[in-house]
Amino acid sequence: AQKVTQAQTEISVVEKEDVTLDCVYETRDTTYYLFWYKQPPSGELVFLIRRNSFDEQNEISGRYSWNFQKSTSSFNFTITASQVVDSAVYFCALSEALQAGTALIFGKGTTLSVSS
Amino acid sequence: DTAVSQTPKYLVTQMGNDKSIKCEQNLGHDTMYWYKQDSKKFLKIMFSYNNKELIINETVPNRFSPKSPDKAHLNLHINSLELGDSAVYFCASSQVFKREGPRLNEQFFGPGTRLTVL
Repeated sequence: AQKVTQAQTEISVVEKEDVTLDCVYETRDTTYYLFWYKQPPSGELVFLIRRNSFDEQNEISGRYSWNFQKSTSSFNFTITASQVVDSAVYFCALSEALQAGTALIFGKGTTLSVSS
Repeated sequence: DTAVSQTPKYLVTQMGNDKSIKCEQNLGHDTMYWYKQDSKKFLKIMFSYNNKELIINETVPNRFSPKSPDKAHLNLHINSLELGDSAVYFCASSQVFKREGPRLNEQFFGPGTRLTVL
């Protein structure tokens, strides 16, 4: 069965601190996709990244970086030098590449609060 | 030039009423979805359609009936609304690329419809 666990329910940091959001997943498939979405207070879901199971390279995009480790089934997200605008709920999600219409399985989300 | 749009954005109604939420995508995608986000922010799939055909129908009360008149639209009709139906409903769309190698399933989400049942 597929499952995504985000053990951190809430994290509070002060601006300019680095913060890592954890994501652990379970799947029996060898081919799958992992995602991170951001949900700011305005409510929309903003796509951040997709990672394929066959590509374990870490990725950096500005202050954001992602560490994919198949050995530990983890796909962690780090924000460097956090800013108040980073305050949001962050969701990790898993999709198995079986057929059209395959849904995303979401973790329960981590609420990040960045104070000035 | 919104990619995935939903109407209405807010819906407040009384228990027992019937209501519909509309979703349209202009991305040319062949798959559309409805997700429900509850008061604890948990997001869960309800339905998915591929080329107007129902693919996923999770354990959702049959008061919820999705309808896909064409590939660009997936509407959600809810009969006999209950207090527990209060949530944010997100529509999404994606395209499965039928090429060699893995298929892609990147989903684009609409802005959400906040349903409040009084």
